[in-house]
Amino acid sequence: NAGVTQTPKFQVLKTGQSMTLQCAQDMNHEYMSWYRQDPGMGLRLIHYSVGAGITDQGEVPNGYNVSRSTTEDFPLRLLSAAPSQTSVYFCASSKYRKSGNTIYFGEGSWLTVV
Amino acid sequence: GIQVEQSPPDLILQEGANSTLRCNFSDSVNNLQWFHQNPWGQLINLFYIPSGTKQNGRLSATTVATERYSLLYISSSQTTDSGVYFCAATSGTYKYIFGTGTRLKVLA
Repeated sequence: NAGVTQTPKFQVLKTGQSMTLQCAQDMNHEYMSWYRQDPGMGLRLIHYSVGAGITDQGEVPNGYNVSRSTTEDFPLRLLSAAPSQTSVYFCASSKYRKSGNTIYFGEGSWLTVV
Repeated sequence: GIQVEQSPPDLILQEGANSTLRCNFSDSVNNLQWFHQNPWGQLINLFYIPSGTKQNGRLSATTVATERYSLLYISSSQTTDSGVYFCAATSGTYKYIFGTGTRLKVLA
C-alpha cells in the first residue's frame, strides 16, 4: 500500500512549456484533489474530483487542466507554464465515510518555471 | 465561500512547554481537519474533528462548531513538533479550504 504517489518530485520548466504532474493512489479513494502551496501561504485548491469522470474547479484553476479516467489516477496538466506557477504542488485523496473523510497527501512536487 | 483564519502565525516554544493554536472559520462547516507539515514538507493528518474533542498522545483538538472555531493543544512540546500546523474546513464534503498556518519552532 503506497498511499498517494506523485511524480516528478522536482521539475524545472521554461515559460510556455507544458507538462503533466502525475498522481496515483492505491487506496480506492473516491476523492482526489490538487493543491498548490506558495511561500508563507496555506494550500490553495486547484481542481478536485469525486470519482472517475467527474472533476470540478477549486479556488485557483486557471492555467491547469485535469481529467479522471480511472479511480487511481488524477493527473494535473500545465498548459503553458508561467513563472507565477512556480510552486509546490500536492495531490491528496480521501474516502468518504460517515465517520469522517481523512485526507492523505502525496509528498509534493516542486515546480520552478523560468 | 468559507474563510479560514489561524492564529498565531508564528510561535516559538521551549521544549516541554504547552501551546494552543486557534482556527476560526467564517461559516458553518461540515468537516474540519488539522494537519502538521514537517520541515521536509510532508503533510500529515492529525485530526478529523468537525465537532467535539479528540486526543492523540500529547495532542488534542476541540471544535466548537456553533461558535466557529477549533483549537489544537500541544502539551510537553518536543523539537519534533516543529513545523507548520494547518487547519482546513469545508461546508460540503470534499472542497476543503486551508488556513495560512501556524509556524511552530520548538527549541531544545
